[in-house]
Parts: sequence; structure tokens; C-alpha cells
Amino acid sequence: DTGVSQNPRHKITKRGQNVTFRCDPISEHNRLYWYRQTLGQGPEFLTYFQNEAQLEKSRLLSDRFSAERPKGSFSTLEIQRTEQGDSAMYLCASSFSYGYTFGSGTRLTVV
Amino acid sequence: AQSVTQPDIHITVSEGASLELRCNYSYGATPYLFWYVQSPGQGLQLLLKYFSGDTLVQGIKGFEAEFKRSQSSFNLRKPSVHWSDAAEYFCAVHRDSNYQLIWGAGTKLIIKP
Repeated sequence: DTGVSQNPRHKITKRGQNVTFRCDPISEHNRLYWYRQTLGQGPEFLTYFQNEAQLEKSRLLSDRFSAERPKGSFSTLEIQRTEQGDSAMYLCASSFSYGYTFGSGTRLTVV
Repeated sequence: AQSVTQPDIHITVSEGASLELRCNYSYGATPYLFWYVQSPGQGLQLLLKYFSGDTLVQGIKGFEAEFKRSQSSFNLRKPSVHWSDAAEYFCAVHRDSNYQLIWGAGTKLIIKP
């Protein structure tokens, strides 16, 4: 068990391009969360999976954002037509019950 | 609705001095409370958690926190800080309806040599 793994660690993209991030949770954890964090702020909830089912999505998650967790294992977060306001750290966390284990995050810079 | 308040945006402490970071929560039932630490450019690491039982909980890196129901507080303490403790600290509480965390805005800890 190597914890929660996120790839890539950093991504620089041009405005309008699509990006995809991957999260590999701890294998026995059935819940997976995506958060977004901007500088000087706490994490903002984006979406949540229990096994392969996406149970909740934040209003922050516009239709340009989509997340999947096929087979209840790894998850991907895709942002289409990126905008400069999407620049942030994207954090993934997993849990079995209460309390999360976070990955190191993917820092997205949209130029 | 549940909420978490961390009243101090920044705290500056001399190396070797004691530390207390404040956290107040609003929650109807017995809360599940957490403190996380985040170093620059890194993810969040769990320091400690309170679910029930002894109101003084011990965590990693020499941190402890005390749950005080009467004050709706869960303050984080360390008797003697080290330069490596410089980071941002987040307090969080679990929501009722699912396993989501509600986060405070964070307190940035600055260590003076």
C-alpha cells in the first residue's frame, strides 16, 4: 500500500485544451473524493464516489468537468475547454469510513 | 448547517515556543473532528482525529487536540514547535448526510528562528 497516488503532479496547458488527471486510491477504500484548492483557501468539494457510483457533485462542477471511476478502482477527472480560472491544485482522497487519506495533488496551470 | 471556523489566518511563533491553533465548529450532534496539515505544494496529511471517548487526543509529530463540547472547540496544540512545523493547518468536521468533510479556511503557521 503506497497511499493515494495522483498523476501527473503538475500540468501546464493552454486555455481551451482538455486535461485529464488520474487518482489511484488505497485499494481497500470504497470511497473516493475530488477536491479543488486555490492558493490560501481550504479544499472545495467537487465530487464523490462510492465504489463506481458517483453519488454527489458540487455546483462548482460545471458541465466542462467530468469524473469517472470505472470498476470502483482508479478515478479520472477531465476538464474540457480549460479556462484560466481552472488553475488550482486538484486533490484526490479516499476513505473506508471517516477520515480521508489524500494524495499529493495535481497542480494545474492554465496559460 | 455544519460549519468550521478557524479565526486566525496567520500565526507566528518562535521556534521552541508553544503553539495553539483555534478551531470552532457548528454541529448538531457529536462531531467527528479532524486536523490536517499541508506543506507548500503538497497534499493534506492527517494529524489527528476525534470521534468519541477521551477528549484529549494525541496525533503525529507531537501534536494534540482537545475537544470541548461546551465551547464547540477543537484546538490544536504543540508544546514546542520546530521550524519544520511551518505549514498550513486545516480543521474539518464530517457532514451528517455522507462522509464529506466540511473545512475551515486554514491557519498558516510561520516559525521565527
